[in-house]
Amino acid sequence: VTLLEQNPRWRLVPRGQAVNLRCILKNSQYPWMSWYQQDLQKQLQWLFTLRSPGDKEVKSLPGADYLATRVTDTELRLQVANMSQGRTLYCTCSETGGDQDTQYFGPGTRLLVL
Amino acid sequence: GDSVTQTEGLVTLTEGLPVMLNCTYQSTYSPFLFWYVQHLNEAPKLLLKSFTDNKRPEHQGFHATLHKSSSSFHLQKSSAQLSDSALYYCALSDRGFASALTFGSGTKVIPCLP
Repeated sequence: VTLLEQNPRWRLVPRGQAVNLRCILKNSQYPWMSWYQQDLQKQLQWLFTLRSPGDKEVKSLPGADYLATRVTDTELRLQVANMSQGRTLYCTCSETGGDQDTQYFGPGTRLLVL
Repeated sequence: GDSVTQTEGLVTLTEGLPVMLNCTYQSTYSPFLFWYVQHLNEAPKLLLKSFTDNKRPEHQGFHATLHKSSSSFHLQKSSAQLSDSALYYCALSDRGFASALTFGSGTKVIPCLP
């Protein structure tokens, strides 16, 4: 059963251009939504966890700047800007937000820099 | 801060023989530990996670034992299968930051060619 949809599934991003990603939650029993990045060396790194509509957070990491927004109970967005190296962004969801929670990963969005 | 160390970047498996992947961690608290598996061109998914009551988690023939004295959570399987070839991540969750997993660098498991 698919818990998360992500779009687009991949995107070629011209250097200096921002891109907007969407993640749709298909099961409201897992309302804690997060973003993770996986770099070209396959290292996974947590970016954000946003629980409530209206929550926003920003973060700058080597190779990209991020702005995450919880739009609704079922939609999470991520704007990626100033990306210098390709990466894959995964949306995740979990049930309680607790430290024993399983993170369920979406299919991912692969970003490649032109 | 928290960290997870997976010392082997690459491990070869022989069908029918045991395989073990190492994982050690550093944490201020007493964290929960997880193993995630990522097959080629797929998203990571949970393989197993530690329990609070010292039970040994098992899934698909894999098991791992949390040893707090040595800060380790090694993954083992007594009889490997070719389909176990994948990228394996050890991760921990910090009590202070729900949903924010800290991942190790991953161990790639590939078949040992005769």
